[in-house]
Amino acid sequence: SQQGEEDPQALSIQEGENATMNCSYKTSINNLQWYRQNSGRGLVHLILIRSNEREKHSGRLRVTLDTSKKSSSLLITASRAADTASYFCATDRGSYGNNRLAFGKGNQVVVIP
Amino acid sequence: NAGVTQTPKFQVLKTGQSMTLQCAQDMNHEYMSWYRQDPGMGLRLIHYSVGAGITDQGEVPNGYNVSRSTTEDFPLRLLSAAPSQTSVYFCASSYSGKHTEAFFGQGTRLTVV
Repeated sequence: SQQGEEDPQALSIQEGENATMNCSYKTSINNLQWYRQNSGRGLVHLILIRSNEREKHSGRLRVTLDTSKKSSSLLITASRAADTASYFCATDRGSYGNNRLAFGKGNQVVVIP
Repeated sequence: NAGVTQTPKFQVLKTGQSMTLQCAQDMNHEYMSWYRQDPGMGLRLIHYSVGAGITDQGEVPNGYNVSRSTTEDFPLRLLSAAPSQTSVYFCASSYSGKHTEAFFGQGTRLTVV
């Protein structure tokens, strides 16, 4: 079964607003990662949170991880038109690290200028 | 620094034909993987490799072969193309060890008719 399942949301927000998306997973993980995909392009890594971390920030991104609920959230603050993309969470369960990522179905975010 | 390079970008095959999708990385990454992305399905792992000469199956390996003769290259072979293999294929690479990000190529859009 596929691990990492975002709430299948399609968010449409105004520029300057915050965007929040969620991800749940089923088994133990080493870390959880978020990736962005612009239309027709490859995925770009945004942020990684380890299983022993609860919150992490990177610029306008804030990620939380609740291992007891097996869930994570990604918050993008002060959104910009350039944030329009699909966002995927991925979990790493591999014994040796980042070689077997399980992706969720993705959240499509549209930021209206 | 080219990163992860995939060729071709687009391909149309007839059912039963075979072909090889090329993937090369210039970052000296030990780990390389192939994923397929279908609408509404997220990315699913096809095959992965933790180093030259070492490969293993992922979530959806049937109909695909891989080999890893060098650190840089990780080709994906479709043995006898089927319409169900119509998809976008992504190659990714990363350093070994836990908690490292994956770098993705731009993808190959394959249509099997």
